[in-house]
Amino acid sequence: GAVVSQHPSWVICKSGTSVKIECRSLDFQATTMFWYRQFPKQSLMLMATSNEGSKATYEQGVEKDKFLINHASLTLSTLTVTSAHPEDSSFYICSASAGRVGPNQPQHFGDGTRLSIL
Amino acid sequence: ILNVEQSPQSLHVQEGDSTNFTCSFPSSNFYALHWYRWETAKSPEALFVMTLNGDEKKKGRISATLNTKEGYSYLYIKGSQPEDSATYLCAFSPRGYSGAGSYQLTFGKGTKLSVIP
Repeated sequence: GAVVSQHPSWVICKSGTSVKIECRSLDFQATTMFWYRQFPKQSLMLMATSNEGSKATYEQGVEKDKFLINHASLTLSTLTVTSAHPEDSSFYICSASAGRVGPNQPQHFGDGTRLSIL
Repeated sequence: ILNVEQSPQSLHVQEGDSTNFTCSFPSSNFYALHWYRWETAKSPEALFVMTLNGDEKKKGRISATLNTKEGYSYLYIKGSQPEDSATYLCAFSPRGYSGAGSYQLTFGKGTKLSVIP
């Protein structure tokens, strides 16, 4: 149980394109999902916390107009990288907590999306 | 800025060897410490979430200990197998001003384990 599906797994596109990444909880409801970014040889960095039915909470230094998050249902959150540029090339991964949400509950991760902007 | 350090960065062990690695985190305002296993081309898999000083958790051949006073956790793998090859991540959740834990996990860079058959 507690499976999270992330799509697509790999995207290559031209500079200026907007890219949408989907994160779905397949067998549980996730009121809260998390979006992380990882640059080469660096740790996973939390970008934002996505809450169903309300606005996402962004971490310091993450542009909310650049990285649009929509959590319209209990099983789907999307991250849209608007007008992507080469510096946005990175590995993006989502996670969610099943059941009662809390920092002492494990997070369940998707497989991640590798984004390459040419 | 919270600092979570993992060591070593990578290691290679022979099949059957036991091994361990370290996660260091801030000892003040501790709430929870997570361990994840991340195999190549797969998603990170939760191993343990630890909250109490002195906690020891076990899952098969893998176990972890926690020392919140000095700010470290050890992950042990007994009798390593090739399928244990993965990157092991730890993540720290601090206690906020309200006393509740923070969802904002701070991850270490991971320890990459390679088990040689």
